[in-house]
Amino acid sequence: EAGVTQFPSHSVIEKGQTVTLRCDPISGHDNLYWYRRVMGKEIKFLLHFVKESKQDESGMPNNRFLAERTGGTYSTLKVQPAELEDSGVYFCASSLNSGINTEAFFGQGTRLTVV
Amino acid sequence: DAKTTQPPSMDCAEGRAANLPCNHSTISGNEYVYWYRQIHSQGPQYIIHGLKNNETNEMASLIITEDRKSSTLILPHATLRDTAVYYCIVRVAHRDDKIIFGKGTRLHILP
Repeated sequence: EAGVTQFPSHSVIEKGQTVTLRCDPISGHDNLYWYRRVMGKEIKFLLHFVKESKQDESGMPNNRFLAERTGGTYSTLKVQPAELEDSGVYFCASSLNSGINTEAFFGQGTRLTVV
Repeated sequence: DAKTTQPPSMDCAEGRAANLPCNHSTISGNEYVYWYRQIHSQGPQYIIHGLKNNETNEMASLIITEDRKSSTLILPHATLRDTAVYYCIVRVAHRDDKIIFGKGTRLHILP
Protein backbone atom coordinates (compact mmCIF):
# COMPACT_ATOMS: atom_id res chain seq x y z
CA GLU A 1 0.00 0.00 0.00
CA ALA A 2 1.33 3.44 -0.93
CA GLY A 3 2.04 5.77 1.93
CA VAL A 4 1.52 9.52 2.06
CA THR A 5 3.26 11.06 -0.90
CA GLN A 6 4.32 14.66 -1.30
CA PHE A 7 5.78 16.55 -4.18
CA PRO A 8 7.89 18.16 -5.04
CA SER A 9 10.48 16.88 -2.58
CA HIS A 10 12.42 20.12 -2.94
CA SER A 11 11.54 23.54 -4.25
CA VAL A 12 13.67 26.65 -4.54
CA ILE A 13 11.85 29.85 -5.47
CA GLU A 14 12.50 33.54 -5.33
CA LYS A 15 10.80 35.84 -2.88
CA GLY A 16 7.51 37.01 -4.31
CA GLN A 17 6.91 33.93 -6.43
CA THR A 18 4.17 31.38 -5.98
CA VAL A 19 4.66 27.75 -5.03
CA THR A 20 2.13 24.95 -4.77
CA LEU A 21 2.82 21.87 -2.71
CA ARG A 22 0.84 18.70 -3.20
CA CYS A 23 -0.04 15.88 -0.81
CA ASP A 24 -1.63 12.55 -1.69
CA PRO A 25 -2.90 10.86 1.47
CA ILE A 26 -3.26 7.15 1.99
CA SER A 27 -6.33 5.93 0.13
CA GLY A 28 -9.40 5.95 2.35
CA HIS A 29 -7.99 8.38 4.89
CA ASP A 30 -10.47 11.17 5.50
CA ASN A 31 -8.17 13.14 7.79
CA LEU A 32 -5.41 15.14 6.16
CA TYR A 33 -3.05 17.46 8.03
CA TRP A 34 -0.40 19.95 7.03
CA TYR A 35 2.56 20.76 9.29
CA ARG A 36 5.79 22.62 8.80
CA ARG A 37 9.16 22.91 10.42
CA VAL A 38 10.97 26.17 10.06
CA MET A 39 14.75 26.01 10.55
CA GLY A 40 15.66 25.47 14.17
CA LYS A 41 12.07 25.40 15.37
CA GLU A 42 9.60 22.72 16.32
CA ILE A 43 7.19 21.04 13.94
CA LYS A 44 4.07 23.22 13.88
CA PHE A 45 0.53 22.34 12.86
CA LEU A 46 -0.98 24.32 9.98
CA LEU A 47 -4.40 22.85 9.27
CA HIS A 48 -6.62 19.80 9.28
CA PHE A 49 -9.07 18.59 6.63
CA VAL A 50 -11.81 16.05 7.15
CA LYS A 51 -12.60 14.98 3.63
CA GLU A 52 -12.90 18.27 1.74
CA SER A 53 -13.82 20.39 4.77
CA LYS A 54 -11.40 22.43 6.82
CA GLN A 55 -11.80 21.17 10.36
CA ASP A 56 -9.11 23.33 11.95
CA GLU A 57 -7.03 25.99 10.26
CA SER A 58 -5.79 27.69 13.39
CA GLY A 59 -2.15 27.13 12.50
CA MET A 60 -2.17 28.86 9.14
CA PRO A 61 0.31 31.73 9.51
CA ASN A 62 -1.37 34.32 7.29
CA ASN A 63 -3.48 34.81 4.20
CA ARG A 64 -0.56 34.13 1.89
CA PHE A 65 -1.21 30.46 2.56
CA LEU A 66 -4.13 28.70 0.89
CA ALA A 67 -4.94 25.03 1.33
CA GLU A 68 -7.47 23.10 -0.68
CA ARG A 69 -8.72 19.56 -0.84
CA THR A 70 -11.25 19.47 -3.62
CA GLY A 71 -13.08 16.15 -3.80
CA GLY A 72 -11.62 15.05 -0.51
CA THR A 73 -8.65 13.27 -2.05
CA TYR A 74 -5.34 15.01 -2.57
CA SER A 75 -4.57 18.41 -1.09
CA THR A 76 -2.59 21.41 -2.23
CA LEU A 77 -0.94 24.13 -0.20
CA LYS A 78 -0.22 27.30 -2.11
CA VAL A 79 2.05 30.05 -0.86
CA GLN A 80 1.54 33.33 -2.68
CA PRO A 81 3.61 35.46 -2.59
CA ALA A 82 6.39 33.54 -0.87
CA GLU A 83 8.54 35.28 1.73
CA LEU A 84 11.95 34.36 3.09
CA GLU A 85 10.48 33.22 6.41
CA ASP A 86 8.36 30.62 4.61
CA SER A 87 11.45 28.49 4.07
CA GLY A 88 11.25 25.16 5.83
CA VAL A 89 10.03 21.61 5.48
CA TYR A 90 6.31 21.10 4.92
CA PHE A 91 4.87 17.79 6.04
CA CYS A 92 1.55 16.24 5.20
CA ALA A 93 -0.07 13.49 7.26
CA SER A 94 -3.24 11.43 6.97
CA SER A 95 -5.28 9.16 9.20
CA LEU A 96 -8.52 7.23 9.23
CA ASN A 97 -11.63 8.96 10.46
CA SER A 98 -12.75 6.07 12.58
CA GLY A 99 -13.99 7.93 15.64
CA ILE A 100 -11.16 6.70 17.83
CA ASN A 101 -7.67 8.00 18.08
CA THR A 102 -5.55 6.50 15.36
CA GLU A 103 -2.00 6.96 14.25
CA ALA A 104 -1.19 9.59 11.68
CA PHE A 105 1.07 8.64 8.77
CA PHE A 106 3.43 11.31 7.54
CA GLY A 107 4.90 11.95 4.15
CA GLN A 108 8.58 12.62 3.54
CA GLY A 109 7.99 16.33 3.34
CA THR A 110 8.67 19.12 0.85
CA ARG A 111 11.72 21.24 1.54
CA LEU A 112 10.93 24.80 0.48
CA THR A 113 13.68 27.34 0.13
CA VAL A 114 12.77 30.94 -0.60
CA VAL A 115 15.70 33.06 -1.77
CA ASP B 1 2.19 24.44 23.71
CA ALA B 2 3.33 20.87 24.21
CA LYS B 3 2.10 19.31 27.45
CA THR B 4 5.16 17.10 27.81
CA THR B 5 8.73 17.53 29.03
CA GLN B 6 11.62 15.50 27.64
CA PRO B 7 15.40 15.68 28.01
CA PRO B 8 16.91 17.43 24.97
CA SER B 9 19.35 14.65 24.17
CA MET B 10 20.49 11.18 25.18
CA ASP B 11 23.17 8.70 24.16
CA CYS B 12 22.83 4.94 24.04
CA ALA B 13 25.27 2.23 23.02
CA GLU B 14 24.32 0.10 20.06
CA GLY B 15 22.69 -3.15 21.14
CA ARG B 16 21.65 -1.81 24.52
CA ALA B 17 18.17 -0.78 25.58
CA ALA B 18 17.35 2.88 25.08
CA ASN B 19 15.03 4.29 27.75
CA LEU B 20 13.52 7.64 26.88
CA PRO B 21 11.64 9.41 29.68
CA CYS B 22 8.74 11.81 29.37
CA ASN B 23 6.88 13.88 31.93
CA HIS B 24 3.22 14.73 31.36
CA SER B 25 2.10 15.77 34.84
CA THR B 26 -1.00 17.64 33.59
CA ILE B 27 -2.34 14.79 31.47
CA SER B 28 -6.12 14.44 31.54
CA GLY B 29 -8.03 11.23 32.04
CA ASN B 30 -9.09 11.07 28.41
CA GLU B 31 -5.64 11.72 26.93
CA TYR B 32 -3.40 9.08 25.46
CA VAL B 33 0.39 9.13 25.43
CA TYR B 34 1.83 8.87 21.90
CA TRP B 35 5.38 8.51 20.74
CA TYR B 36 6.67 9.51 17.32
CA ARG B 37 10.17 9.82 15.98
CA GLN B 38 11.78 11.71 13.16
CA ILE B 39 14.81 10.24 11.49
CA HIS B 40 16.89 12.83 9.68
CA SER B 41 15.35 14.01 6.40
CA GLN B 42 12.26 11.86 6.83
CA GLY B 43 8.73 12.57 8.02
CA PRO B 44 7.70 11.77 11.59
CA GLN B 45 6.98 8.10 12.19
CA TYR B 46 4.45 6.68 14.64
CA ILE B 47 5.94 4.33 17.23
CA ILE B 48 3.38 3.45 19.89
CA HIS B 49 0.63 4.84 22.09
CA GLY B 50 -1.13 3.95 25.33
CA LEU B 51 -3.63 5.13 27.89
CA LYS B 52 -2.66 3.59 31.22
CA ASN B 53 -1.54 0.03 30.61
CA ASN B 54 1.92 -0.81 29.40
CA GLU B 55 2.05 -1.45 25.67
CA THR B 56 4.44 -3.35 23.43
CA ASN B 57 4.73 -3.68 19.69
CA GLU B 58 7.41 -4.71 17.24
CA MET B 59 9.20 -1.39 17.57
CA ALA B 60 9.13 -0.54 21.25
CA SER B 61 7.56 -0.81 24.68
CA LEU B 62 5.73 1.95 26.50
CA ILE B 63 5.71 2.02 30.28
CA ILE B 64 3.23 4.44 31.88
CA THR B 65 3.38 5.12 35.61
CA GLU B 66 0.34 4.33 37.68
CA ASP B 67 -0.46 8.01 38.24
CA ARG B 68 0.03 8.56 34.47
CA LYS B 69 2.21 11.60 35.09
CA SER B 70 5.19 10.14 33.30
CA SER B 71 6.14 7.42 30.86
CA THR B 72 9.17 5.73 29.35
CA LEU B 73 9.67 4.57 25.80
CA ILE B 74 11.96 1.56 25.59
CA LEU B 75 13.78 0.50 22.45
CA PRO B 76 14.97 -2.95 23.56
CA HIS B 77 18.00 -3.36 21.30
CA ALA B 78 18.96 -0.02 19.83
CA THR B 79 20.62 0.08 16.42
CA LEU B 80 22.31 2.91 14.56
CA ARG B 81 19.11 3.33 12.54
CA ASP B 82 17.29 4.33 15.72
CA THR B 83 19.22 7.60 15.83
CA ALA B 84 16.43 10.18 15.62
CA VAL B 85 14.46 12.81 17.50
CA TYR B 86 11.79 11.15 19.65
CA TYR B 87 8.60 13.01 20.50
CA CYS B 88 6.32 12.26 23.42
CA ILE B 89 2.84 13.66 22.80
CA VAL B 90 -0.49 13.63 24.62
CA ARG B 91 -3.69 13.54 22.58
CA VAL B 92 -7.34 13.39 23.50
CA ALA B 93 -8.90 10.00 22.94
CA HIS B 94 -11.68 9.51 20.40
CA ARG B 95 -10.74 12.60 18.45
CA ASP B 96 -8.50 13.21 15.49
CA ASP B 97 -7.01 16.45 16.72
CA LYS B 98 -3.74 17.85 15.54
CA ILE B 99 -0.48 16.60 16.99
CA ILE B 100 1.37 19.18 19.06
CA PHE B 101 5.07 18.49 18.79
CA GLY B 102 7.47 19.68 21.43
CA LYS B 103 11.24 19.77 21.15
CA GLY B 104 11.64 16.03 21.65
CA THR B 105 14.72 14.06 22.67
CA ARG B 106 17.57 13.70 20.23
CA LEU B 107 18.75 10.11 20.67
CA HIS B 108 22.27 9.25 19.53
CA ILE B 109 23.06 5.58 19.15
CA LEU B 110 26.79 5.08 19.59
CA PRO B 111 28.61 2.28 17.73
